Amino acid sequence: NAGVMQNPRHLVRRRGQEARLRCSPMKGHSHVYWYRQLPEEGLKFMVYLQKENIIDESGMPKERFSAEFPKEGPSILRIQQVVRGDSAAYFCASSPDPGSGEKLFFGSGTQLSVL
Amino acid sequence: RKEVEQDPGPFNVPEGATVAFNCTYSNSASQSFFWYRQDCRKEPKLLMSVYSSGNEDGRFTAQLNRASQYISLLIRDSKLSDSATYLCVVNRGGTSYGKLTFGQGTILTVHP
Repeated sequence: NAGVMQNPRHLVRRRGQEARLRCSPMKGHSHVYWYRQLPEEGLKFMVYLQKENIIDESGMPKERFSAEFPKEGPSILRIQQVVRGDSAAYFCASSPDPGSGEKLFFGSGTQLSVL
Repeated sequence: RKEVEQDPGPFNVPEGATVAFNCTYSNSASQSFFWYRQDCRKEPKLLMSVYSSGNEDGRFTAQLNRASQYISLLIRDSKLSDSATYLCVVNRGGTSYGKLTFGQGTILTVHP
């Protein structure tokens, strides 16, 4: 049973480009969470999705960021017109139900670097 | 004020030492508490949950004081492999599901 798969592991973008980060949850998990870790900071919640629905996006920046979790395929975190401040590690986690910290499984993350 | 505060350290201890980390949280509605471990900015991994009665897992002991909104982690007989960043994590529970609030982490280095 594969764990949470994120790709790419490393993503380099120039300012103004778009970044698309993908997350495939563990088999049987229909709840996906995205977290961001800025340099020298702790992880910050961004968004919680279930299949085809955004449940909580209270941690998402108001502009340029969007997330989806379609019926088929991975969850996508999309960042338009990236800026240097978007450089961070982006972690996805999944769980079999709304759950709590005991049931969250994290992917290895995508390190986004904006030049 | 941050919702979860930790002493960032770093803590540098010799093998075999006992080390304690502290954490405070500001939201009294928090219901679930955890310690996670993160190695070199890889994915965080659950170390242990923290219960009101206190709990122990091998060399690791966690304590929770709800009245003081204070969480602690004690590591006995430190090993080189314990070197990592330790993250204090809280969850409001209920409808807050997997929306975890992380502290910034405490860095531990265990040296020979």
